[in-house]
Amino acid sequence: KAGVTQTPRYLIKTRGQQVTLSCSPISGHRSVSWYQQTPGQGLQFLFEYFSETQRNKGNFPGRFSGRQFSNSRSEMNVSTLELGDSALYLCASSLAYGVANTEAFFGQGTRLTVV
Amino acid sequence: DAKTTQPPSMDCAEGRAANLPCNHSTISGNEYVYWYRQIHSQGPQYIIHGLKNNETNEMASLIITEDRKSSTLILPHATLRDTAVYYCIVRAPWGAGSYQLTFGKGTKLSVIP
Repeated sequence: KAGVTQTPRYLIKTRGQQVTLSCSPISGHRSVSWYQQTPGQGLQFLFEYFSETQRNKGNFPGRFSGRQFSNSRSEMNVSTLELGDSALYLCASSLAYGVANTEAFFGQGTRLTVV
Repeated sequence: DAKTTQPPSMDCAEGRAANLPCNHSTISGNEYVYWYRQIHSQGPQYIIHGLKNNETNEMASLIITEDRKSSTLILPHATLRDTAVYYCIVRAPWGAGSYQLTFGKGTKLSVIP
């Protein structure tokens, strides 16, 4: 079956602009999480969605937001881009929310470069 | 979630078993141990997870000590494609709700021809 699909794979934006990234989870998976990966900070949790509701949020400013649609697809938005937002943004899907004994599957990520 | 400690890097000869250790001495009784790996510039790949018992799948084996304070991921016959950063993660049990994974710095495994 198809894996987690993230689009676009690469993106170049100018400081001050905003960007929207998309994630389609594995068919049947209902929970989607987002992570940011930078060389300095490593992989950091952004937020998690289940049933169109944000369930948990990491320590990121309000410029970072997201949403989930009824088909479980998710988008994240970053407004007023800063140079430091340049990173690999990863989406992970899992079967359900609040289930300990299950794994998450990651997409290939979107490489965002802010110039 | 409990904190994990992993060596920053390891080498392994191609064809030999790679044994990657992880210390999680503050793990709670109902926390799971997960292993993921990340090949350069790709998304992390799930490998295996366990609670108390040793686990094996087509990719690897996970050995958890009886006191659960440490574990070892074993890749039985390492290939060059296994060169990656390996992350050991201890995950909060159900009830905490979130599927949040807290990644440390991991172990950079280099498989040498």
